[in-house]
Amino acid sequence: GENVEQHPSTLSVQEGDSAVIKCTYSDSASNYFPWYKQELGKGPQLIIDIRSNVGEKKDQRIAVTLNKTAKHFSLHITETQPEDSAVYFCAAANDYKLSFGAGTTVTVRA
Amino acid sequence: GAVVSQHPSRVICKSGTSVKIECRSLDFQATTMFWYRQFPKQSLMLMATSNEGSKATYEQGVEKDKFLINHASLTLSTLTVTSAHPEDSSFYICSARDGAGGPGELFFGEGSRLTVL
Repeated sequence: GENVEQHPSTLSVQEGDSAVIKCTYSDSASNYFPWYKQELGKGPQLIIDIRSNVGEKKDQRIAVTLNKTAKHFSLHITETQPEDSAVYFCAAANDYKLSFGAGTTVTVRA
Repeated sequence: GAVVSQHPSRVICKSGTSVKIECRSLDFQATTMFWYRQFPKQSLMLMATSNEGSKATYEQGVEKDKFLINHASLTLSTLTVTSAHPEDSSFYICSARDGAGGPGELFFGEGSRLTVL
């Protein structure tokens, strides 16, 4: 099955700086790569996704890149704000069956 | 955007009892729903895939007789934890796929926290 590895497990950044989270996946058949933000006690919230026919996607301060050859994808958050503090999960899916990374706890210091 | 509603959000039960968790897609028809379990400070682990009108497909290691899944309509899937024990205490989350055309998107519910005493 699919195996998704996510790094780092924790990330502390100064407000205004950028945050980068990296994930690798094992199944070359995976074709959908969403990123989720999860706040304490709540379900995951989709923040951005990318499909295998696209190399990069951007939505305001958030961007995702995908390298299918190397089987890795990354989340970039620019101009971080305190409200960006949360746990972020990457995932990879074939036919919407998601395999999640272990998560990254992001703390934005004011 | 689409909304997926879970109920109850929190439930506490005694060991040995059964608990039912509902997952509803509020403004779209979900041909497929997924059930996940998340232990504290851990990632989401897929338990099963629920398809409307057919039997659920369980992931390896998930007991289908303990975690009963019913997807009787295009807007409702239920997860019943039978004979619950303290080790079943966890955060259960469902997701639903809006399959109405295009590649679709997965929407997650807010989760249901089960505590078994």
